[in-house]
Amino acid sequence: GDSVTQMEGPVTLSEEAFLTINCTYTATGYPSLFWYVQYPGEGLQLLLKATKADDKGSNKGFEATYRKETTSFHLEKGSVQVSDSAVYFCALKNNNNDMRFGAGTRLTVKP
Amino acid sequence: SQTIHQWPATLVQPVGSPLSLECTVEGTSNPNLYWYRQAAGRGLQLLFYSVGIGQISSEVPQNLSASRPQDRQFILSSKKLLLSDSGFYLCAWSVRPSGRMSHYEQYFGPGTRLTVT
Repeated sequence: GDSVTQMEGPVTLSEEAFLTINCTYTATGYPSLFWYVQYPGEGLQLLLKATKADDKGSNKGFEATYRKETTSFHLEKGSVQVSDSAVYFCALKNNNNDMRFGAGTRLTVKP
Repeated sequence: SQTIHQWPATLVQPVGSPLSLECTVEGTSNPNLYWYRQAAGRGLQLLFYSVGIGQISSEVPQNLSASRPQDRQFILSSKKLLLSDSGFYLCAWSVRPSGRMSHYEQYFGPGTRLTVT
């Protein structure tokens, strides 16, 4: 079945470091891809999305590009801040409108 | 604009007691509704989803049940809680897709942290 695999955490970075969180997916057809962020004690918020191959989603300095050839949707940010500390979830929505989430990656940014 | 509410925010219940968590959505009609559970250190597990009033689909066998008495109300229940029911419960909604495909994302509520003692 369709699934999402993302890099295991936790990830600990210093402020202003470059961030990459890898995400790959398995799906039939053409899924939409999403990154959600969960701040401590809160629900999930949509961070960015891409609905077709080569689309780039971006928000709050984060970017991810839908790569169909490598079935990937890696999350990147050039300079992280302490306020970016959260759990990040990669997700897909398949042709049946089912959502599949990765296990989440906890990011801690130290000042 | 659309908003989604969940309550209570936190709950501590003894084993064997009943449970009722409520989720309501405002600002939209005919949404798809979802209940997820997030156990400590783990990802999201879809528990139930609903495409309309009285229509509930269960993803995994469990001690919980769900109901949708109104279009924008989704309730998660249990008659007798187990220790393993502890976790963070998230309600979500999405636009009901029309046609074969939809790119609509899901929007999540603030969550309810349930501790069963």
